[in-house]
Amino acid sequence: DTEVTQTPKHLVMGMTNKKSLKCEQHMGHRAMYWYKQKAKKPPELMFVYSYEKLSINESVPSRFSPECPNSSLLNLHLHALQPEDSALYLCASSHGAPRSGNTIYFGEGSWLTVV
Amino acid sequence: GENVEQHPSTLSVQEGDSAVIKCTYSDSASNYFPWYKQELGKRPQLIIDIRSNVGEKKDQRIAVTLNKTAKHFSLHITETQPEDSAVYFCAGRSGGSNYKLTFGKGTLLTVNP
Repeated sequence: DTEVTQTPKHLVMGMTNKKSLKCEQHMGHRAMYWYKQKAKKPPELMFVYSYEKLSINESVPSRFSPECPNSSLLNLHLHALQPEDSALYLCASSHGAPRSGNTIYFGEGSWLTVV
Repeated sequence: GENVEQHPSTLSVQEGDSAVIKCTYSDSASNYFPWYKQELGKRPQLIIDIRSNVGEKKDQRIAVTLNKTAKHFSLHITETQPEDSAVYFCAGRSGGSNYKLTFGKGTLLTVNP
């Protein structure tokens, strides 16, 4: 099973709201990722967790706060977002680092609209 | 850091023809190059990947070639079908980071029936 599950699929939030995106995988993968994708653009890496520890933060604004409660779960907490943060947020996982060809599997994504 | 250039940005072919998408990379230490297909409104899905110790890899109608000397790799799709229509992204793993993939800007492939 190569499934990465994300909820919710769609989210509309106001600029003063606090919301969370959730991601789950049961493939035993030890690396989990958050990507942001704008229309007609490639995915942009935001965060990487390796063995439940934050490994990479691509200078993401603090209004995005990741959390990895355990090896199967990854959350992205959202607070005080801006309309330009509207995008598709993709969670992904891999067995380990992709350096040896470990495939990165993407979830279906959460479509976020900030109003 | 790694820089991946992808060409063309759009490609239109007739059903049954071949399609070729090319990417170049800048980091000579990069060693892993996946290709993702993304249909409209869906997730990117891995279709094929290649490591730097291999020059070519095939999977049915799809093949990828890698030229390490020239630092470029290409996706070849033969006998194209309308369901091949999608955006294709190439990517390279940065030599300086174990986890970061740098993506090309994507190619919109349209296969006309």
